[in-house]
Amino acid sequence: NAGVTQTPKFRILKIGQSMTLQCTQDMNHNYMYWYRQDPGMGLKLIYYSVGAGITDKGEVPNGYNVSRSTTEDFPLRLELAAPSQTSVYFCASIGQGAGLPQHFGDGTRLSIL
Amino acid sequence: DAKTTQPNSMESNEEEPVHLPCNHSTISGTDYIHWYRQLPSQGPEYVIHGLTSNVNNRMASLAIAEDRKSSTLILHRATLRDAAVYYCILRDEGSQGNLIFGKGTKLSVKP
Repeated sequence: NAGVTQTPKFRILKIGQSMTLQCTQDMNHNYMYWYRQDPGMGLKLIYYSVGAGITDKGEVPNGYNVSRSTTEDFPLRLELAAPSQTSVYFCASIGQGAGLPQHFGDGTRLSIL
Repeated sequence: DAKTTQPNSMESNEEEPVHLPCNHSTISGTDYIHWYRQLPSQGPEYVIHGLTSNVNNRMASLAIAEDRKSSTLILHRATLRDAAVYYCILRDEGSQGNLIFGKGTKLSVKP
């Protein structure tokens, strides 16, 4: 009963480094999302995908890239890490149908120093 | 997307009912009312959702006003594990399923 799995759980990066946050889901969901959550705030949408090969920008896409080559995987890439990208990142997925809930991963805590 | 308004924080005693209010005066006819909660250091967790009628599940009840401009999440007997931030979110089924999170209500439960 895995649901949405994110790796790694924690990471510290130096300014200018790059990394990929992994997200995979085993529920055959078409829709997948990446959010970031800064301390004391709600979640903000970075990118989303409505199916394999289709991605689109959310509210705060700058500094990030995504790809969706399979239904299961939706990796988020940081090319040049900046201190402003220190945050907790959540991946989520949802099936197709009216009113269905989103399923969230446990998050990746990322610090840029 | 329509916005919601929630109190910043609420307190409850353990084993007492909790009523968490949410105002959404600009709700449209196709907006579902979703509630999620986020426990400390965890991702958001689905609680309940509804469109027009009141809804019950094993976690909570959702009472929706007749004009749909407000709703109330009801936890029938609060436990210490219910201490979390509760988010009331409107989701238009035509919006690619995206959820727009506000700051939510931080619920504290006293033993």
